[in-house]
Amino acid sequence: DTGVSQDPRHKITKRGQNVTFRCDPISEHNRLYWYRQTLGQGPEFLTYFQNEAQLEKSRLLSDRFSAERPKGSFSTLEIQRTEQGDSAMYLCASSPTGTGVAEQYFGPGTRLTVT
Amino acid sequence: AQKITQTQPGMFVQEKEAVTLDCTYDTSDPSYGLFWYKQPSSGEMIFLIYQGSYDQQNATEGRYSLNFQKARKSANLVISASQLGDSAMYFCAMRDSTGGGNKLTFGTGTQLKVEL
Repeated sequence: DTGVSQDPRHKITKRGQNVTFRCDPISEHNRLYWYRQTLGQGPEFLTYFQNEAQLEKSRLLSDRFSAERPKGSFSTLEIQRTEQGDSAMYLCASSPTGTGVAEQYFGPGTRLTVT
Repeated sequence: AQKITQTQPGMFVQEKEAVTLDCTYDTSDPSYGLFWYKQPSSGEMIFLIYQGSYDQQNATEGRYSLNFQKARKSANLVISASQLGDSAMYFCAMRDSTGGGNKLTFGTGTQLKVEL
């Protein structure tokens, strides 16, 4: 296993279109996180899953955003009716459960541009 | 609410010199964890070092060390013997364990440029 992977790496879409991103975490990690990073800022938390259960959602995650993690493996993040303000880097991370460091391992991100 | 502050938007350092990147934090949680991540221009966040709030000693990982001053709520990253490959964006982050999720709150980052 080589780490967290994300697909696609880049997405350009027109305003109003729907987009879906995929994240494949490190196989033994049961926690999966989505973050959004805009230019010049640090990543901001969107949502997280433990196995297949979505346990927390940020208020940043409007009704147009939905995330799933069927079977507790890969996850998808869908944005409906995209707006120009959705343009950002979407980062996925995974970590093991438990105490201790439990650092999050990040994928390369999906850069979304809404025109 | 937790907050991370990084006051240095950009830093320059000469190759082989040491550099300190500042990070201050605010939390009411007595148990917390602090992380530093490196983000090269490729975009991937790379974990560098971790400091737990109850750790007695400052964390070290190779050329990286964390100057943890709990009373001052600061967790500065020290990079020794800087290399050209250290040029990147550096983020300080705090783990928020409310809700059990361990999500991270990030600062705005410091852009480090290593010069010859």
